[in-house]
Amino acid sequence: AQSVTQPDIHITVSEGASLELRCNYSYGATPYLFWYVQSPGQGLQLLLKYFSGDTLVQGIKGFEAEFKRSQSSFNLRKPSVHWSDAAEYFCAVEDSGNTGKLIFGQGTTLQVKP
Amino acid sequence: SQTIHQWPATLVQPVGSPLSLECTVEGTSNPNLYWYRQAAGRGLQLLFYSVGIGQISSEVPQNLSASRPQDRQFILSSKKLLLSDSGFYLCAWGDSTDTQYFGPGTRLTVL
Repeated sequence: AQSVTQPDIHITVSEGASLELRCNYSYGATPYLFWYVQSPGQGLQLLLKYFSGDTLVQGIKGFEAEFKRSQSSFNLRKPSVHWSDAAEYFCAVEDSGNTGKLIFGQGTTLQVKP
Repeated sequence: SQTIHQWPATLVQPVGSPLSLECTVEGTSNPNLYWYRQAAGRGLQLLFYSVGIGQISSEVPQNLSASRPQDRQFILSSKKLLLSDSGFYLCAWGDSTDTQYFGPGTRLTVL
């Protein structure tokens, strides 16, 4: 069965520092992969997605993610974090059935120090 | 462009009372629709999904139900709320690439 693991529950970085949020997935074929961000009390916003092609995907707000098949990973990165990036981040993989369902990781909470 | 609405934004209900949360989507037709719940400090739990009018699939046994009376309307209901029903309820619609787009959510507190 498909699964998504986000190993880091909480991460704290200083403003201006680089960021990498880890995501590992389990999926039999080439998956559709997603990163979402959720600010407190709000819905989830799509940051970026990977379907095929170039393994480095650019998203909104200066985020990018790299698909590495050999490592079953889809890590999210940002070269310089802003205080407004403090939020919860979710990685997701498509479910293998033809339902459009997504399997979400448990999320990583990002705290940004001034 | 597509938009998704949820209401109410917040709701405080006594135990044993009924519930109705509504989600509507604009700007697309025949979307897949999803109801999720987030309990405090926990991840997303898929409750129901629908691939068409009147077609509802339940992911977890519970005292909640869902209905899709119109193509772009998705309703989450309960006849009698439990304390454990408290949480943040999110509706989402999915496009043909399985990308899901989320509404602003409803914060439900059951007292």
